[in-house]
Amino acid sequence: GENVEQHPSTLSVQEGDSAVIKCTYSDSASNYFPWYKQELGKGPQLIIDIRSNVGEKKDQRIAVTLNKTAKHFSLHITETQPEDSAVYFCAAYYGNNRLAFGKGNQVVVIP
Amino acid sequence: DGGITQSPKYLFRKEGQNVTLSCEQNLNHDAMYWYRQDPGQGLRLIYYSQIVNDFQKGDIAEGYSVSREKKESFPLTVTSAQKNPTAFYLCASSIQASEKTQYFGPGTRLLVL
Repeated sequence: GENVEQHPSTLSVQEGDSAVIKCTYSDSASNYFPWYKQELGKGPQLIIDIRSNVGEKKDQRIAVTLNKTAKHFSLHITETQPEDSAVYFCAAYYGNNRLAFGKGNQVVVIP
Repeated sequence: DGGITQSPKYLFRKEGQNVTLSCEQNLNHDAMYWYRQDPGQGLRLIYYSQIVNDFQKGDIAEGYSVSREKKESFPLTVTSAQKNPTAFYLCASSIQASEKTQYFGPGTRLLVL
């Protein structure tokens, strides 16, 4: 099956700075990569996703880049705000209706 | 107000007891999923259903059971055979089984007394 790894496990940034989280995946057939934001005690919320036919996708302060050759994709958050503090999960689709999730990154935005 | 609802928010289980977690969606989605989340871990798939009256085991199905009698409902039963049930349980749905985007409910936290 698919194996997804996230780095770093915890990331602290000053408010206004950028945050970057990287995920690697093992199955070269994976073709869909969502990112979820999870606040304490709540369910994950989809914030952005990318399919393998594009290399980058942006939505306001959030962007995702995909490098299929190296099998990694990254979440970029610019101009971070305190409300960006949360756990972020990446995932990769590996067929048969399955998403494989990373273990999550705790992002802390310091005011 | 469309979305996925899970109830209860907190659930307590006694030793040897079966408990059922509710998941309802009014998004008209065909596919539904159950995940388990443990502290510091990613989400692990328990069961999923592509269509009414059909479901498949995920990666950690032992000790769990599901039913899909209605399109909008996908209840999960944690049986007494599940020896370590304490976790955060998340239900998700997608438009179709082939549509990869999954949307999550708010979760149910199960605790063992």
